[in-house]
Amino acid sequence: DAGVTQSPTHLIKTRGQQVTLRCSPKSGHDTVSWYQQALGQGPQFIFQYYEEEERQRGNFPDRFSGHQFPNYSSELNVNALLLGDSALYLCASSLAFPRGPRTDTQYFGPGTRLTVL
Amino acid sequence: KQEVTQIPAALSVPEGENLVLNCSFTDSAIYNLQWFRQDPGKGLTSLLLIQSSQREQTSGRLNASLDKSSGRSTLYIAASQPGDSATYLCAGGDYGGSQGNLIFGKGTKLSVKP
Repeated sequence: DAGVTQSPTHLIKTRGQQVTLRCSPKSGHDTVSWYQQALGQGPQFIFQYYEEEERQRGNFPDRFSGHQFPNYSSELNVNALLLGDSALYLCASSLAFPRGPRTDTQYFGPGTRLTVL
Repeated sequence: KQEVTQIPAALSVPEGENLVLNCSFTDSAIYNLQWFRQDPGKGLTSLLLIQSSQREQTSGRLNASLDKSSGRSTLYIAASQPGDSATYLCAGGDYGGSQGNLIFGKGTKLSVKP
């Protein structure tokens, strides 16, 4: 049973560029959440996608956008990269209620390490 | 706005010692409380999930408790091993019914010395 996968593993970009990160959820899951984890900090919620729509959003600027595909995989796009966007980007998947439990753990992928120079 | 704090930030113990990691949160309306483990440069592994209606959960050598009235959760690790060395994160579930966003603490970095 494949867990959550993310690509690429590492990425180096320069300021002002755009980046796309990809996530495939755990088999059977339909909800994808994205988190940003700066060095030495806990992950911060960016947004969550369900049924191809953004359902919840954290306190991140519009430069951060996403998409969910019919097969439930998801992309995170960041435009006009800043040095402060350097972080580990984590994707987590879950199964939405009522198909899944009302509350359940989220399963995290290994992350994509983004470095902005 | 929910805020999660973890104390201590780092902890070093000899192998075999029992230890407690602390987590506090500001909003008692927390929906659930989860503990995760993170190895350096890696993703998060879920350890224990405590529903808001529960007081504790156990898995092997791990026991987590939740006291909503005091805004605290603890993770107890019995008979620690070098393989337990990692950063431990607690997270409050902030949105009922849909596994919504998790509010994380900064973590406690645990080092277990052989």
